[in-house]
Amino acid sequence: EAQVTQNPRYLITVTGKKLTVTCSQNMNHEYMSWYRQDPGLGLRQIYYSMNVEVTDKGDVPEGYKVSRKEKRNFPLILESPSPNQTSLYFCASSSWTPVNSPLHFGNGTRLTVT
Amino acid sequence: GDSVTQMEGPVTLSEEAFLTINCTYTATGYPSLFWYVQYPGEGLQLLLKATKADDKGSNKGFEATYRKETTSFHLEKGSVQVSDSAVYFCALSAHGNKLVFGAGTILRVKS
Repeated sequence: EAQVTQNPRYLITVTGKKLTVTCSQNMNHEYMSWYRQDPGLGLRQIYYSMNVEVTDKGDVPEGYKVSRKEKRNFPLILESPSPNQTSLYFCASSSWTPVNSPLHFGNGTRLTVT
Repeated sequence: GDSVTQMEGPVTLSEEAFLTINCTYTATGYPSLFWYVQYPGEGLQLLLKATKADDKGSNKGFEATYRKETTSFHLEKGSVQVSDSAVYFCALSAHGNKLVFGAGTILRVKS
């Protein structure tokens, strides 16, 4: 089954404790992206990647890191999480740019930072 | 910068009622426009799209027309069902590499 898989689904952590949210897709997609969803703000892009070893900042990249060492994986790293990073996070992928091909989303990771 | 404004919800309708969710945008150039839908506990999925002025996107009984003169892309459906209850996001892409999403509109359909 074609899918984008994120783990974990739920995560509670404390301020400053490094964490990684994994994202994997099995559709051989070139493009991958991370979004955060907050009430009243919709989805805001954190980082995106057009291909292996190619990443670029979205609208809200501060406090986040990503890597794209393999085509299928695009982990999101929070080196020192803070409470304002409490949010619902989505990974998404598409075969080419999202203007030309639909984004496929994972089911989300709900992160709480205390 | 590019932005999308959607009507605030939640929108509550009875089954078989007519649905309109308003969406307006601000963008440089000629963006492509999208509606994505998010069902409870799931990620978003593409509902429909339009890539140029006067294009009409349609899918599953939903329609939206790209109106350049009013910078709008309103979502409509003639007869909603309980299964249409979800969050609907309007989005645009003016630069190809990313989508800019609106805040989302919650739709609740009662039987």
